[in-house]
Amino acid sequence: ILNVEQSPQSLHVQEGDSTNFTCSFPSSNFYALHWYRWETAKSPEALFVMTLNGDEKKKGRISATLNTKEGYSYLYIKGSQPEDSATYLCAFNTGGGNKLTFGTGTQLKVEL
Amino acid sequence: DTEVTQTPKHLVMGMTNKKSLKCEQHMGHRAMYWYKQKAKKPPELMFVYSYEKLSINESVPSRFSPECPNSSLLNLHLHALQPEDSALYLCASSQRGVQETQYFGPGTRLLVL
Repeated sequence: ILNVEQSPQSLHVQEGDSTNFTCSFPSSNFYALHWYRWETAKSPEALFVMTLNGDEKKKGRISATLNTKEGYSYLYIKGSQPEDSATYLCAFNTGGGNKLTFGTGTQLKVEL
Repeated sequence: DTEVTQTPKHLVMGMTNKKSLKCEQHMGHRAMYWYKQKAKKPPELMFVYSYEKLSINESVPSRFSPECPNSSLLNLHLHALQPEDSALYLCASSQRGVQETQYFGPGTRLLVL
């Protein structure tokens, strides 16, 4: 059974704070790592798909890094805004089949 | 258009009913997915269709029956469900496979009485 762990489970920050979360996954036979943002009552929204060790990706104030050798990815949000409030999910694939295994997510709340 | 649509949004059914969930995308994607999500848990993969053929069945009970009539449509037929099957059912699609972004629909919230 593949285990994808995310920490922290939840996070409250003030508007303007920068924050980061961790996704840990088995390092053997890595194929792809996805990050999604899921706001309540909406569809999960894709942020990044990362496939190479050392990958860094950026989308506006959000960025992510990937270390496949040690089995972790970090998601960073710079200058958090209330609209960043959501659950951030990572999902991992091993071996190249079409299965993604999701972590339990980090629930972020940004307060004014 | 990066939209995946799902109908219905909500569904209440009895244990003897037969119902279907529908999912549609017009992005030309050739991989489509059904996920089940229970409260406070991550989405769990149920089925994957690749080029309209079932490629993954994650040991899902036969009371759930997927169907992919064409490359844009994905159905999930439900029959004789149990109350523990109550969950959010999410559909997703991607161009071909797991190294590409998956686009999710908003889900169908199912309640089995």
